[in-house]
Amino acid sequence: QITLKESGPTLVKPTQTLTLTCTFSGFSLSTSGVGVGWIRQPPGKALEWLALIYWDDDKRYSPSLRSRLSITKDTSKNQVVLTMTNLDPVDTATYYCAHRRVDYSGSYGFDYWGQGTLVTVSS
Amino acid sequence: QSVLTQPPSASGTPGQRVTISCSGSSSNIGSNYVYWYQQLPGTAPKLLIYRNNQRPSGVPDRFSGSKSGTSASLAISGLRSEDEADYYCAGWDDSLSGKVFGGGTKLTVL
Repeated sequence: QITLKESGPTLVKPTQTLTLTCTFSGFSLSTSGVGVGWIRQPPGKALEWLALIYWDDDKRYSPSLRSRLSITKDTSKNQVVLTMTNLDPVDTATYYCAHRRVDYSGSYGFDYWGQGTLVTVSS
Repeated sequence: QSVLTQPPSASGTPGQRVTISCSGSSSNIGSNYVYWYQQLPGTAPKLLIYRNNQRPSGVPDRFSGSKSGTSASLAISGLRSEDEADYYCAGWDDSLSGKVFGGGTKLTVL
């Protein structure tokens, strides 16, 4: 079955860079149509999409955060890494990674999610 | 301010049918699929509806989705106490070239 798990620091200082790793099993990011995305949720607030990476290394970023984000994949390790630079306290949130599948008609949505990891930005 | 607009709250009594709306524009709902996610307290979101009205395996048929023009709706029939959760609509926005979520609707089962 498909599982995903996020890992990374729980506390980051302002202006620092955050690196989160999504380790998954049950699928391969070298399979056509497969992608992994990152979504975050500040405490008590709505979901916000951050980035996507597909099997063919196509990458998409949230327009409002594009300059601060980088997403990469390591197919051999079944991992996707999200890097966010210049952190601010407003970036405090639970960060989720999720599996996505697409075909010629479009996406099937984020159908499997990790449990999420809470990242607090504070000095 | 979310690109997709949802009512902040909704409520119903057990057995009732409730609907949650999601309003967008021609660049998102009007030209792309709509997705719905359910988030139970303290848990990760769960895909409820994909491609406007399709249910993933395991999602009860009490949940249904529809879309008309630049708006979409999620309907829950036979409301149960375990349906109390936050519900989010989502979709792709061509103008932003990105995925967008609604602000979420907190459903209370009275």
